[in-house]
Amino acid sequence: GAGVSQSPSNKVTEKGKDVELRCDPISGHTALYWYRQSLGQGLEFLIYFQGNSAPDKSGLPSDRFSAERTGGSVSTLTIQRTQQEDSAVYLCASITPYYGYTFGSGTRLTVV
Amino acid sequence: AQTVTQSQPEMSVQEAETVTLSCTYDTSENNYYLFWYKQPPSRQMILVIRQEAYKQQNATENRFSVNFQKAAKSFSLKISDSQLGDTAMYFCAFYSNYQLIWGAGTKLIIKP
Repeated sequence: GAGVSQSPSNKVTEKGKDVELRCDPISGHTALYWYRQSLGQGLEFLIYFQGNSAPDKSGLPSDRFSAERTGGSVSTLTIQRTQQEDSAVYLCASITPYYGYTFGSGTRLTVV
Repeated sequence: AQTVTQSQPEMSVQEAETVTLSCTYDTSENNYYLFWYKQPPSRQMILVIRQEAYKQQNATENRFSVNFQKAAKSFSLKISDSQLGDTAMYFCAFYSNYQLIWGAGTKLIIKP
């Protein structure tokens, strides 16, 4: 596609429920990142996928967070047993070195 | 470790004025890229300008220009003839070897 697509754009969930956030990157971009942005804060790195290499999961805040990328394209970020501190905007980005990062419009997650 | 520092949490200027946002970084790399991203209230991350470290010439994009001082590891953004639509969070980012390091952001408010 022409841009990075994320869905849903907004998600409200009850504490303790699981959520799945989806990212559909730009076709042909092999590198994909997930970031989290709390209100008024900068971007917090979560996980990075590059081609067929093992993902860099060093930014995942707890084992409740996981992500996968199927077929080198669509990625799903899963948060299990959501907590209120998980409330944030979750941004996905794909990248080529020349064009830099292209971001999706994010998913605003609210845990109530 | 590579770091990016934006020392101005918030700035405000009158419409049509020129404003400069500061960014410094620390790295031992020689080849890297630097970016300025804009995030308006819509939360979409928008690439404003990019600079390759090997290029001595400062990048410019219409009203946006950078002052890249490689030896000083400084990468400031100048916005000329500021417009109300420039109101946003501005993030400086350093990229090398698929690692992207973000500054904490500067909130820029353009006053009418």
